[in-house]
Amino acid sequence: QSVLTQPPSASGTPGQRVTISCSGSNSNIGTNTGTWYQYLPGTAPKLLIHTNNQRPSGVPDRFSGSKSGTSASLAISGLQSEDEADYFCAAWDDSLNGWVFGGGTKLTVL
Amino acid sequence: EVQLLESGGGLVLPGGSLRLSCAASGFTFNNYAMNWVRQAPGKGLDWVSGISFSGGSTYYADSVKGRFTVSRDNSQNTLYLQMNSLRADDTAIYYCAKGGVAVRLLGFDNWGQGTPVTVSS
Repeated sequence: QSVLTQPPSASGTPGQRVTISCSGSNSNIGTNTGTWYQYLPGTAPKLLIHTNNQRPSGVPDRFSGSKSGTSASLAISGLQSEDEADYFCAAWDDSLNGWVFGGGTKLTVL
Repeated sequence: EVQLLESGGGLVLPGGSLRLSCAASGFTFNNYAMNWVRQAPGKGLDWVSGISFSGGSTYYADSVKGRFTVSRDNSQNTLYLQMNSLRADDTAIYYCAKGGVAVRLLGFDNWGQGTPVTVSS
């Protein structure tokens, strides 16, 4: 069981806006910043969001992140077929003294 | 361009050992923390270990503490993971991932392609 909780699946049609949640606790998201990754199994994961809402260069502005209390969220607007992938949140956990991931959300573009 | 190239994975018997390497290029290696993250078959991403830019501080997931050792050679721009007492549940693709200026900061902004480790008799 993962320390951070994500819904196992999400879906949307092309052009729609989809939001994926990540629930944590005071020792991780509540105190530290959230990060988000896009992952296609067998490939290198890609950092989408760091420091709750910052996009690395090259990440489209369709991807945005936010944090409220002990939860983080990833929003994808203008959904495209190539967005179909697994999405993971992660944060540093002060109690465990290490990084913790969510269980991942499989996004399907209908 | 940041490049991370893992090597050293393979098939090993339960209780055996493996040493993974990650050759880094395209950035000033000794300025950044580095990490190992794994993905077991059918499972999600799982952080394994991190090491500070100098190598002076190391961090481990509880599942590998006492069995795995992370190290780095800044003169060779290489990250290592020594894995001992391997168990079946260590079977995974192991990714090398570049961190921020400290292990607890930024996350993992560049990843290698991964090296597979299979623990089986």
